[in-house]
Amino acid sequence: DAGITQSPRYKITETGRQVTLMCHQTWSHSYMFWYRQDLGHGLRLIYYSAAADITDKGEVPDGYVVSRSKTENFPLTLESATRSQTSVYFCASSESINQPQHFGDGTRLSIL
Amino acid sequence: KNQVEQSPQSLIILEGKNCTLQCNYTVSPFSNLRWYKQDTGRGPVSLTIMTFSENTKSNGRYTATLDADTKQSSLHITASQLSDSASYICVVSGPSGGYNKLIFGAGTRLAVHP
Repeated sequence: DAGITQSPRYKITETGRQVTLMCHQTWSHSYMFWYRQDLGHGLRLIYYSAAADITDKGEVPDGYVVSRSKTENFPLTLESATRSQTSVYFCASSESINQPQHFGDGTRLSIL
Repeated sequence: KNQVEQSPQSLIILEGKNCTLQCNYTVSPFSNLRWYKQDTGRGPVSLTIMTFSENTKSNGRYTATLDADTKQSSLHITASQLSDSASYICVVSGPSGGYNKLIFGAGTRLAVHP
C-alpha cells in the first residue's frame, strides 16, 4: 500500500547505544523530514532532505545523523543515545515545501 | 522570535456542539498557515493549508479562517462527532535563511463526549 511507514513503532534502549529509526515512503516525494514530539512542545524539526543526497539541519540536530541515498528512505541515527532523546519521532514527506506533509505514525523511543 | 501559540490548551465539548480553536502567531513574513489533526498514537493529518491571501478554507465540518493583519487563525468544528477527539495543531510556514521553515504550535487537545 502507498504511504509512509516508520519502524520500529516502539524501541527501548540504553544510554550510549546507537539506534537507527527507519522511514520509507512510496510516493517518490522529494522532501522528507524528521521531527521529535515532546509533551508541552510543538513538533521540532531535527533534519530534513530536499532530495536524495541532500540533507540539512533543522532546529534540534545535535546528537542525530541522517542519510538519504535513495529517494524513498530517510533513516535517522542516534549515534550515542542519551536520556534527553527519549521522545516520539515522526517522519514526514511532501511533494514540495509548500504542499501538505504526510506523516508516519511515529516511533516511540525510550532511553534508559 | 517566531512563535505560534494555540488556545485553549484543552477543551471538552458534548457531541453535536460546535467549537472554535485559536492560533496566534508572530511569524513574519509568512508563506502559509496549516491546520493538522493528530489522533492519539498517530501522526498528524493535514486539514487545511491557507496562504496569506486566503481568508477562509473548509474541509467538510472543519472551517479555518485567517486574518493576516492581526496574525490570527481559527479552526471551527461544526456538529462535533466523537471521532473529532484529537489534538489540533496550527503550523505557520515562513521564509527563513532562504528556505521555508515550519513552526508548530503545541496543539489544542479536544475531547468530544457523548
